[in-house]
Amino acid sequence: AQSVTQLDSQVPVFEEAPVELRCNYSSSVSVYLFWYVQYPNQGLQLLLKYLSGSTLVESINGFEAEFNKSQTSFHLRKPSVHISDTAEYFCAVRGVADKLIFGTGTRLQVFP
Amino acid sequence: DGGITQSPKYLFRKEGQNVTLSCEQNLNHDAMYWYRQDPGQGLRLIYYSQIVNDFQKGDIAEGYSVSREKKESFPLTVTSAQKNPTAFYLCASSISGPQHFGDGTRLSIL
Repeated sequence: AQSVTQLDSQVPVFEEAPVELRCNYSSSVSVYLFWYVQYPNQGLQLLLKYLSGSTLVESINGFEAEFNKSQTSFHLRKPSVHISDTAEYFCAVRGVADKLIFGTGTRLQVFP
Repeated sequence: DGGITQSPKYLFRKEGQNVTLSCEQNLNHDAMYWYRQDPGQGLRLIYYSQIVNDFQKGDIAEGYSVSREKKESFPLTVTSAQKNPTAFYLCASSISGPQHFGDGTRLSIL
C-alpha cells in the first residue's frame, strides 16, 4: 500500500530564513511525487512534481524538492522564504487510476 | 480560461437533508475526483471517475453519492446518512498527470 508521511504539522520560520518541509513516502510501484500548496479557503495548487529524470525539481517561485529513493523522501526546500509563502503544503504520491495519496499537510508560518 | 469550477462556495445543510455540490471542468480531462478535507487530516478520497458513466468508491464513500453523465460534470451529493458532513470539499480532475483542483465548497450544518 502507498502512503505519505509529513513529519511536521507546523513549521514557524522568520522571513528570509531557509526552510525544509519533510515528506517520506511508501510505494511499491513506480513513484510519482507531488507538492501542492493551499492558501486559506482555496483549492490546492501544484507546486512541483517528480515523474522521472532529474531527482532535483524546481518551481518558478524558488522552491525545490529532491527525490531520494534510498531514503524514500521528497523534502521541499526554499533558501529564503517570504511572508507570502505562508500556507499549507501537501505532499502526495500517485497511486493506481491517477489517485493521489496525500500527507496530512504542513502549515508553514512565516513571521516578519 | 480552462479550469475547474465548484459551486456554491458555502453551503448549509439542515438535519435530514440531502445537498448537492457542483463540479464542472472545461479542461477536457477524463478523470475526476472528490476529496474531503478536515483540519489535521489532509485530503481523503470520497469518489472518483475515470470515464463518463463510470465511477468508483474512494476511502470514505459512505453517506455520499455521485454521477458522471457528462465528461465535464461530476456532482457530489451529501446524503442524510452522512452524520458528520461539516468539511471542506474539493473537486479535482486529471489526464495522466497532476490533478488540478477547484476552489472548494465549505459545507456546514445548520
